[in-house]
Amino acid sequence: EVQLLESGGGLVQPGGSLRLSCAASGFTFSSYAMSWVRQAPGKGLEWVSAISGGSGNTDYADSVKGRFTISRDKSKNTVYLQMNSLRADDTAVYYCAKGRSNWRAAFDIWGQGTMVTVSS
Amino acid sequence: EIVLTQSPGTLSLSPGERATLSCRASQSVSSSYLAWYQQKPGQAPRLLIYGASSRATGIPDRFSGSGSGTDFTLTISRLEPEDFAVYYCQQYGSTLWTFGQGTKVEIK
Repeated sequence: EVQLLESGGGLVQPGGSLRLSCAASGFTFSSYAMSWVRQAPGKGLEWVSAISGGSGNTDYADSVKGRFTISRDKSKNTVYLQMNSLRADDTAVYYCAKGRSNWRAAFDIWGQGTMVTVSS
Repeated sequence: EIVLTQSPGTLSLSPGERATLSCRASQSVSSSYLAWYQQKPGQAPRLLIYGASSRATGIPDRFSGSGSGTDFTLTISRLEPEDFAVYYCQQYGSTLWTFGQGTKVEIK
């Protein structure tokens, strides 16, 4: 069964850091792009970052560029999101999503999400 | 950045009725790299349509997508009780992926 399992969310103070993990199973992890998408409470979906299969190209939304870093460990079938300089408006459920191909593609598999709360 | 505008914001319909959801892009979406997702409360989104008109695996044929360039449509031919949810369009053809703000389909 194809599955994504996020972890690492929690409560963090403004200016703090957090690293999210997404463990993948049931497919050839290295062949597909992976993304992070977030959803603030009661709001819509916002794409955050993506990393390609193969070469590992990355892209970031302007709202997180310079603060967040996406990476992947092919030996562990895991994608990460390192979040630094967190702000209150980063509070959201963070979803990990698998692309249908190795780069620009729709997201066919989603994790259950992990909540990040930035508050003092 | 391509901005996607969905309309209407809320659609109030009865089971069995036809739903037509619109997604308009601020500039042309290359190669029809446009997707539609369904999201129910407390759940992750689910892919319905990709490439503007291709149904994802396991999606019933009452869901169909159409359009190209800047104007796209998701049609649900006959609403089933489980179809009442929020629907998002997404483009993935430009440097930055973007989502529309969503259309809520509610029971009238």
